[in-house]
Amino acid sequence: DGGITQSPKYLFRKEGQNVTLSCEQNLNHDAMYWYRQDPGQGLRLIYYSQIVNDFQKGDIAEGYSVSREKKESFPLTVTSAQKNPTAFYLCASSTILRDRIDEQYFGPGTRLTVT
Amino acid sequence: SQQGEEDPQALSIQEGENATMNCSYKTSINNLQWYRQNSGRGLVHLILIRSNEREKHSGRLRVTLDTSKKSSSLLITASRAADTASYFCAPHPRGFQKLVFGTGTRLLVSP
Repeated sequence: DGGITQSPKYLFRKEGQNVTLSCEQNLNHDAMYWYRQDPGQGLRLIYYSQIVNDFQKGDIAEGYSVSREKKESFPLTVTSAQKNPTAFYLCASSTILRDRIDEQYFGPGTRLTVT
Repeated sequence: SQQGEEDPQALSIQEGENATMNCSYKTSINNLQWYRQNSGRGLVHLILIRSNEREKHSGRLRVTLDTSKKSSSLLITASRAADTASYFCAPHPRGFQKLVFGTGTRLLVSP
């Protein structure tokens, strides 16, 4: 099946620990994205990548880091510097042509709880 | 902010009725996309309308775009209980490599 997967579905961490969320896609998409969603809110862009070994900060990148070593994978690390990390994290991918973003395919999300 | 803003924030209707959601945005766009999210799940793409299009249909969905008013609407006809979800508009601002999601409209369709 083609698609985008995120793991784990639920993640619990103690404050002060870094945690890495996995995102993998087999859609052969060039672009990948990480979003954060808080209860009753829309999505806010954390980081995005349009090509391997390159990525850009989104609107709320502070306290997060990413890597894009393979086209299929775009892991997100939530560092201890992120002041309020408890949230629902969504990964997405899309094709991109010149400056046009087509539909984004989303993973099922990871719910992170930090206590 | 380039963010799309949906209106209303919440909508409650009976099965069989139509549901209309509106979206406003602030800058020129390449396209505007609508997504659906069931509670606790990822988003699912519904429809994309390009800046040079005025109306688009997909099954029971009808989307309109008015670039002069910087607004879009999503109409779901003959709604079903299974349409209960949150709906987000996501304009793609021209010159930016990202979509900007609004806070969504929560739709409740009662049997």
